[in-house]
Amino acid sequence: DAGVIQSPRHEVTEMGQEVTLRCKPISGHNSLFWYRQTMMRGLELLIYFNNNVPIDDSGMPEDRFSAKMPNASFSTLKIQPSEPRDSAVYFCASSLIAGEGEQFFGPGTRLTVL
Amino acid sequence: QKEVEQDPGPLSVPEGAIVSLNCTYSNSAFQYFMWYRQYSRKGPELLMYTYSSGNKEDGRFTAQVDKSSKYISLFIRDSQPSDSATYLCAAIIQGAQKLVFGQGTRLTINP
Repeated sequence: DAGVIQSPRHEVTEMGQEVTLRCKPISGHNSLFWYRQTMMRGLELLIYFNNNVPIDDSGMPEDRFSAKMPNASFSTLKIQPSEPRDSAVYFCASSLIAGEGEQFFGPGTRLTVL
Repeated sequence: QKEVEQDPGPLSVPEGAIVSLNCTYSNSAFQYFMWYRQYSRKGPELLMYTYSSGNKEDGRFTAQVDKSSKYISLFIRDSQPSDSATYLCAAIIQGAQKLVFGQGTRLTINP
């Protein structure tokens, strides 16, 4: 298996623009997680899905952030409008079995908002 | 106060040294404890996984959990330059799915 796939790997955009990050989880995994990592705050969980249904979005910082999972093999994280403080590395992770903790991370998308 | 606290370092040691990485946590409900390793510009990958208290050994790596003091440790023996990475501790409540991560400790092993 190719592992968790994320695109794009790098994104540079200007403040106010819409940004869409994409994720393909490992085939057969039932849960998908979106994280944000910064030097100041470390790795933070934004939202996670079970069987394509959003379960907990309490980590989503503002209404500017939204996430969807239209099917088992694809998810998006959208920021509209983007702001410089959104600059971070965004990771997608998936797991097979709920509650056992082993999550497999993608390579991340490095977002820079100018 | 964060639920899982970890000194971000950085920590720099000579090759061959024994490395000790530590975390503390505040939530008594945590039952599973993990260490993830993250190389520069890569995603975290699971390194060690323990349930409740005790030790777990895997090659040069030993994970230790002391639930009485809410302390998590990772020991690396005979450290190698290839061990240079950021190490993140994490904890989870049994049956839950939200992993709570520490800040991560950046480790450099000098040849």
